[in-house]
Amino acid sequence: QPVLTQPPSASASLGASVTLTCTLNSGYSNYKVDWYQQRPGKGPRFVMRVGTGGIVGSKGDGIPDRFSVLGSGLNRSLTIKNIQEDDESDYHCGSDHGYGTNFVYVFGIGTRVTVL
Amino acid sequence: EVRLVESGGGLVQPGGSLRLSCAASGFTFNTYWMHWVRQAPGKGLFWVSRIDFDGSITTYADSVKGRFTISRDNAKNTLYLQMNNLRAEDTAVYYCGRAIMISGHNWLDPWGQGTLVTVSS
Repeated sequence: QPVLTQPPSASASLGASVTLTCTLNSGYSNYKVDWYQQRPGKGPRFVMRVGTGGIVGSKGDGIPDRFSVLGSGLNRSLTIKNIQEDDESDYHCGSDHGYGTNFVYVFGIGTRVTVL
Repeated sequence: EVRLVESGGGLVQPGGSLRLSCAASGFTFNTYWMHWVRQAPGKGLFWVSRIDFDGSITTYADSVKGRFTISRDNAKNTLYLQMNNLRAEDTAVYYCGRAIMISGHNWLDPWGQGTLVTVSS
């Protein structure tokens, strides 16, 4: 099954940009990844799905245009431009794998984003 | 508004049981697969289980197989997770999520606010 690697933390100054990385392990370069935002004390919120061709489908409800994704090789990144205090959250990437009884949905460890 | 509300969490002793509920509203519940995901304190997300439209297909993470049972009551628009033989490592906030499935792949949208399960003596 895929393994998703995320850095534990990232930071950016108010109004700057930050790029969060989610790296698949070797052999899974065709996998798509889902990004979720989790504000403190809240449930996760779907941001968008990304493959090697970029966004797959639509962004989640209410996700600003400042959020974008890129996919290349084993990397599936989420970029937040003009970062706002409201963007300070944990960001998780996840991916489904397998079918039937072999199905599993795996997550990275999550990246905590701090707005300076 | 699409909404998921979990309930049923609490403090339980090791070896005990608990049943979580997830009340769904704002969408046609019986046309969506549903999932449970948990998050241990200070940790990342961990997928627990999923169920198809009518409950005929269920899948579990290896660590909960044989102890947890996912089910649903479409007449009540409610998803359940029966948790038996609970262990300290099951301590987590449990979230339910609606699966969006396209071309055989799925993601979760939306999620509930979670319910805390604490397993401790």
